[in-house]
Amino acid sequence: DTAVSQTPKYLVTQMGNDKSIKCEQNLGHDTMYWYKQDSKKFLKIMFSYNNKELIINETVPNRFSPKSPDKAHLNLHINSLELGDSAVYFCASSQGGVAYNEQFFGPGTRLTVL
Amino acid sequence: AQSVTQLDSQVPVFEEAPVELRCNYSSSVSVYLFWYVQYPNQGLQLLLKYLSGSTLVESINGFEAEFNKSQTSFHLRKPSVHISDTAEYFCAVDDNTDKLIFGTGTRLQVFP
Repeated sequence: DTAVSQTPKYLVTQMGNDKSIKCEQNLGHDTMYWYKQDSKKFLKIMFSYNNKELIINETVPNRFSPKSPDKAHLNLHINSLELGDSAVYFCASSQGGVAYNEQFFGPGTRLTVL
Repeated sequence: AQSVTQLDSQVPVFEEAPVELRCNYSSSVSVYLFWYVQYPNQGLQLLLKYLSGSTLVESINGFEAEFNKSQTSFHLRKPSVHISDTAEYFCAVDDNTDKLIFGTGTRLQVFP
């Protein structure tokens, strides 16, 4: 049983296109996150949502728009894709705050922009 | 701003040898500290964490880390590594902002 799942696993697209990555968690958590891992393996938080409300928005270009239709889903839509958007995007979830509650990560979506 | 430094980008080691992966953080305020492991083509998994209390924390697979407030460090150690420990290890900190700030990772490569 997959706790945090992401689709697609791989995404190859041309510059300028719009694409979405979907994330679902079946753990009953109330908080979900998106992270970006660049080619040097550096992992940085992009967004977090708690009960469908945006909590953290880390200086991410407004071409990136997260959407949380319900507590179990947090999708990431990216407009006008650029070469620098190529990375692995990880979704994660936790119950409440980070410190006392483990974050569970999805398997990642490798986005390649050509 | 909070930052995490992992001094070694790669650590090669032979099987059954001891290993230490170093992690230093910048904040002088109370922090929560974490080590995550990423196996090839997988997401991150929590290995261990320090929240409060005993400064030595252990994982179920033999890793341990010690919180040293004076040196702002949280080094990860294992007395005897296995081939299966080959992975990327990330140190992270939360300074009560509910955000994990990650280091750049250390690739542990265990050779037979």
